[in-house]
Amino acid sequence: QSALTQPASVSGSPGQSITISCTGTSSDVGGYNYVSWYQQHPGKAPKLMIYEVSNRPSGVPDRFSGSKSGNTASLTISGLQAEDEADYYCSSYTSSSTEVFGTGTKVTVL
Amino acid sequence: EVQLVESGGGLVQPGGSLRLSCAASGFTFSSYWMSWVRQAPGKGLEWVANIKQDGSEKYYVDSVKGRFTISRDNAKNSLYLQMNSLRAEDTAVYYCAREGIAAADDYWGQGTLVTVSS
Repeated sequence: QSALTQPASVSGSPGQSITISCTGTSSDVGGYNYVSWYQQHPGKAPKLMIYEVSNRPSGVPDRFSGSKSGNTASLTISGLQAEDEADYYCSSYTSSSTEVFGTGTKVTVL
Repeated sequence: EVQLVESGGGLVQPGGSLRLSCAASGFTFSSYWMSWVRQAPGKGLEWVANIKQDGSEKYYVDSVKGRFTISRDNAKNSLYLQMNSLRAEDTAVYYCAREGIAAADDYWGQGTLVTVSS
C-alpha cells in the first residue's frame, strides 16, 4: 500500500496550463479506471475534481481534465487561475479492494 | 444537501482509545460505501478504512489493522471508527467521506482532530 507518486510542486502563470502526474503500479492506477483527483485549500476538506480518470462532477470547471496512460494518471489545469492555488491529490482503487492516495502536489500560481 | 459531520476527536494518551462518529444527512446513507481518511499535521491524505452499505465488507490500511474498527448504523445514518492502541503516528485530522461513482470520495466532512500524546 505505497502512496502513489506525485511531484511535490508545480507552478504556472495565470492563463497557462499545468499538468500533475500520478504514478502507481499495475495493482492500482494501471489496473483500474477508478482514479480520482482532489483539490484541498489550506484548512479545508478535500474536494473531488475528477472521478473515473476523466469525469468531472457537476460544478467543476471544464478547465480541469484528467487522463491515464499505463500506470500514470494526469490532471491538467488549463487557463490557470489564482483560485486554483491549492494542494492536489490523486487516488486509486487497488487490487486489495482498498484506496491509496498520492503524495500530493502543491500548485502555485505565479 | 449532503452533509457529513464528524465528532469524537480529542487528546488521548498513547495506548488509549477513542471512538469517532460521523453523522450523515441529505442522502440515503444505506445506499453508499463510506470511508475514513486521515491527514497528519502538514502531511498528505491517507485512506484509513471503508465499509460496504450493509456492513458486510470492511477494508483497512495495513497500519491500522487489528487496532481500528469501522462500523455503521444505517438506522441512525451514522458511521463510526473505533480506535484502540493509539500511537503518536495516529495523530491527524480524520475525515469521513461518502464513496460515490467509481469509488470516488464525492462528499467529505469537515474533519475531527485526534491528538495522541502524553
